[in-house]
Amino acid sequence: DTGVSQDPRHKITKRGQNVTFRCDPISEHNRLYWYRQTLGQGPEFLTYFQNEAQLEKSRLLSDRFSAERPKGSFSTLEIQRTEQGDSAMYLCASSLATQGGGLNTEAFFGQGTRLTVV
Amino acid sequence: GNSVTQMEGPVTLSEEAFLTINCTYTATGYPSLFWYVQYPGEGLQLLLKATKADDKGSNKGFEATYRKETTSFHLEKGSVQVSDSAVYFCALIGGGGNKLTFGTGTQLKVEL
Repeated sequence: DTGVSQDPRHKITKRGQNVTFRCDPISEHNRLYWYRQTLGQGPEFLTYFQNEAQLEKSRLLSDRFSAERPKGSFSTLEIQRTEQGDSAMYLCASSLATQGGGLNTEAFFGQGTRLTVV
Repeated sequence: GNSVTQMEGPVTLSEEAFLTINCTYTATGYPSLFWYVQYPGEGLQLLLKATKADDKGSNKGFEATYRKETTSFHLEKGSVQVSDSAVYFCALIGGGGNKLTFGTGTQLKVEL
């Protein structure tokens, strides 16, 4: 297993366009997270899935953002009508949640997709 | 809500110097605490963790002790190397929680 992979690594788009990012988690991991990181800040939680169910969404996630994990494997994050403020690094992470809930095992991060909206 | 406060960087040290990066937290319940490291051009990697009070996490010469009384999880290393230059993030998962809350990160630069 090569770890968490994200595609593309870089994306430049014009304001108002839609973009979609993909994340492939570690194969046996049942949890998948999306975070956003801007320069000089720590990653901010956006949303997470357990298998195919989206269990939590941050208030940061406006209506223009949508995430899916249709078969409980890979996930996509779509941003519609992009704005310059959407420019950031979008990070995906996965983990194996144990029985009883909680994140007791390591979350593995991908290298991120850097989005630039011009 | 949960929050993590880290000392601001950049921190610049000479090789073999002692490193401390301060981290304090606010959380409900009994959080688990983590340090992640991000090397230039790479993703976040877990450096060490501690899941209960007085636990000490350690890895690659780095250590941090979970201090419940001071709500702190300071990162230390006795002798830094140039290869330790990176951004270090303190993070927590709140008691019974499901997601990581990160600090803003501290950039470490180690010079010869």
